[in-house]
Amino acid sequence: AQKITQTQPGMFVQEKEAVTLDCTYDTSDQSYGLFWYKQPSSGEMIFLIYQGSYDEQNATEGRYSLNFQKARKSANLVISASQLGDSAMYFCAMREGRDMRFGAGTRLTVKP
Amino acid sequence: ETGVTQTPRHLVMGMTNKKSLKCEQHLGHNAMYWYKQSAKKPLELMFVYSLEERVENNSVPSRFSPECPNSSHLFLHLHTLQPEDSALYLCASSQDARGDQETQYFGPGTRLLVL
Repeated sequence: AQKITQTQPGMFVQEKEAVTLDCTYDTSDQSYGLFWYKQPSSGEMIFLIYQGSYDEQNATEGRYSLNFQKARKSANLVISASQLGDSAMYFCAMREGRDMRFGAGTRLTVKP
Repeated sequence: ETGVTQTPRHLVMGMTNKKSLKCEQHLGHNAMYWYKQSAKKPLELMFVYSLEERVENNSVPSRFSPECPNSSHLFLHLHTLQPEDSALYLCASSQDARGDQETQYFGPGTRLLVL
């Protein structure tokens, strides 16, 4: 069964604006981790940000922040002040113990 | 070298060939992973190794054979592949194989084309 859902196959954003990439997940576990990765056209998956299920504060890493709404089971990625180099595929992932599942990804295009 | 490296970056092989993909991590991690990324499909976990012991094999066909000689190196041996095996193969490592907070760090991948 699909555990990670990214409903936006593609998104466009103007340079210097903020953008939100959606991610919802399905789990009955109380303990899990949520991750976002960026994959440019070169193929490498670059780790961006992590949120633990017990973390009360939303995670932030530079221009990246994770809008974690546990009751809604959503973990949206917010990128502030978009740059042209942010154009890439973005994947949401959830880890429960050894099991790591990825969403289908969202292709973000930053327009100059 | 830093992080996770993979060689070769690109590979074209016939269905009767035998080839190997190599992954090396320089992060001092104890767990390593092979993933397959096909077009228009989510990333699929193939194998997990923890301290050189295979701890997960997600119903992968036997034409894919992993090998982990030590905690820094991971190989994927390929033989008699099918055209549908063409994909990006990604290697990753993490400090431990278990734990919800364990971040996986990925290599650049090997783009495989099977003719």
